Amino acid sequence: QVQLVESGGGVVQPGRSLRLSCAASGFTFSRYGMHWVRQAPGKGLEWVAIIWYDGSNTYYADSVKGRFTISRDISKNTLNLQMNSLRAEDTAVYYCARDGGAAAGPDFWGQGTLVIVSS
Amino acid sequence: NFMLTQPHSVSESPGKTVTISCTRSSGSIASNYVQWYQHRPGSAPTTVIYEDNQRPSGVPDRFSGSIDSSSNSASLTISGLKTEDEADYYCQSYDSSNYVFGTGTKVAVL
Repeated sequence: QVQLVESGGGVVQPGRSLRLSCAASGFTFSRYGMHWVRQAPGKGLEWVAIIWYDGSNTYYADSVKGRFTISRDISKNTLNLQMNSLRAEDTAVYYCARDGGAAAGPDFWGQGTLVIVSS
Repeated sequence: NFMLTQPHSVSESPGKTVTISCTRSSGSIASNYVQWYQHRPGSAPTTVIYEDNQRPSGVPDRFSGSIDSSSNSASLTISGLKTEDEADYYCQSYDSSNYVFGTGTKVAVL
């Protein structure tokens, strides 16, 4: 069965960096695009970024463009999110999700990892 | 970029039917697929409808999706409500490499 397990969350000061990872299993990782989606406390879901199945293209929400970088390691079946210049408004649970294809959206999601940006 | 607007909350008794709307602010609702996700607090979101009206395996046929071009909106209908259906529900669509989630609807089963 599809499994997505996020890690790397924690408490970080504003302006600092953090790297999230997502270990994928139960499917052929190299055949699927992958997303990061976040949910701030008391707020709704917000799409963050997508990387194509082969890593050839990446796209970002305007709120994180230029600060976050999505990447993947096919050899390790791992998705990453490098987050730089963090702000208080980046505080959220970050979910890794597999893309369902057909220009649709995510189909399977991980449990999420909490990032708190605070001094 | 477009927005997807949902009612903040809906409530109904067990066994009844609820319908959640998702209105697209600009561009045609029919131009890109709409997905619906169920999200219980502390759990991973799960897909209940994909590609406008398709149910993933394991999702009961009490869940159904549709789109209405005249109102530029999508709808999720849950019939025969059960207490386990109590959750937040989000619609989602796509345009020009931008993925948009709806504002979310809290479903309460009284």
